[in-house]
Amino acid sequence: SQQGEEDPQALSIQEGENATMNCSYKTSINNLQWYRQNSGRGLVHLILIRSNEREKHSGRLRVTLDTSKKSSSLLITASRAADTASYFCATDGNSGGSNYKLTFGKGTLLTVNP
Amino acid sequence: KAGVTQTPRYLIKTRGQQVTLSCSPISGHRSVSWYQQTPGQGLQFLFEYFSETQRNKGNFPGRFSGRQFSNSRSEMNVSTLELGDSALYLCASTPVQGAKLFFGSGTQLSVL
Repeated sequence: SQQGEEDPQALSIQEGENATMNCSYKTSINNLQWYRQNSGRGLVHLILIRSNEREKHSGRLRVTLDTSKKSSSLLITASRAADTASYFCATDGNSGGSNYKLTFGKGTLLTVNP
Repeated sequence: KAGVTQTPRYLIKTRGQQVTLSCSPISGHRSVSWYQQTPGQGLQFLFEYFSETQRNKGNFPGRFSGRQFSNSRSEMNVSTLELGDSALYLCASTPVQGAKLFFGSGTQLSVL
């Protein structure tokens, strides 16, 4: 089963608007990561937030993490048509060593209309 | 530095055949993971290799196997292909466990 679940499944906005995507997960984590995927291509890492962090920024990206609610949000400000992609959260489920793996949610498809 | 390279980019096979996919990680990265991506199931973890050893394996049948060579390059093999094996197969490398993954562009496998 998926560890992370993104919400909404799809989001359509106008260029210049902000986009917010949410991720919920089930078990404790060491860190949570967000990735972006353009259609049919590989994933690109956006940001990593550790379980002891509450907020992190990178350019137009802002990620928050609430471990008590087992949830995270990704905010993209001043969106551009080039931000059109699928966005995935990934968690490590507090795994490590021979048990380590990243589990991905099903993603949010973001469409930014020019 | 060159990125993660996966070959081939596209592959068409028929049921019952076998297939081998290749992945060259970023230089210096010793951990290589494989994921299967389908519209229905999303991204699912296949296995992870580190220094030629499989450290972890996902919930896939034994038809799915892999290996890693001393230069960290990895291959995955799927035998007796089924229609449901049609998917985008993604390889990712990382220098240390817990760090971000660097993905290749994937191999799109179609089983007819």
